[in-house]
Amino acid sequence: AQSVTQLGSHVSVSEGALVLLRCNYSSSVPPYLFWYVQYPNQGLQLLLKYTSAATLVKGINGFEAEFKKSETSFHLTKPSAHMSDAAEYFCAAIYGSSKTGNLIFGQGTTLQVKP
Amino acid sequence: GAGVSQSPSNKVTEKGKDVELRCDPISGHTALYWYRQSLGQGLEFLIYFQGNSAPDKSGLPSDRFSAERTGGSVSTLTIQRTQQEDSAVYLCASSTASGPQETQYFGPGTRLLVL
Repeated sequence: AQSVTQLGSHVSVSEGALVLLRCNYSSSVPPYLFWYVQYPNQGLQLLLKYTSAATLVKGINGFEAEFKKSETSFHLTKPSAHMSDAAEYFCAAIYGSSKTGNLIFGQGTTLQVKP
Repeated sequence: GAGVSQSPSNKVTEKGKDVELRCDPISGHTALYWYRQSLGQGLEFLIYFQGNSAPDKSGLPSDRFSAERTGGSVSTLTIQRTQQEDSAVYLCASSTASGPQETQYFGPGTRLLVL
């Protein structure tokens, strides 16, 4: 079955440190890929998306993600964490076989930023 | 402009009661999605609307769940004879059209607790 896997349900970094959140997809045909962020008691906000135009995708709030077909990965990074980055992050995919464009989500990664 | 809105923001109900959850998509968005976010299952797709029709109901977990959309705008998700396992956050998203290129914009969700 088509799926999205996020390695690490919980990631903790110090303020100013590199943020790396991992995401892998399951298909040999690359899907469209997305990263969403969810702050407490809020809906999902799109950080960035990959639609095959470029392998390095820049998003909002200083985040970026690199698509690597050989590794079936789409990891999210930010060079320097801020306290305001503490939230839950979801990687999601829309596979080509989808007729409706519904998102398939990973299990989410909670990012903790320590002062 | 106004984003996706959902009501109520919180709903507490007793097991066996029916509940209705409402979603107001962004004006002009023809595609509308319902997702459910629960501790055990993560984020999962429920149903998709294109205009007023629902070509994909594959994610609805049981026949107690139904949804409709009127006027190509407001959508209502109805859960009949609620069970405790229905407790979750129900998220609505809309986009200008269906398909992987389109960004889905999420509402804040309705938090449902079934006692």
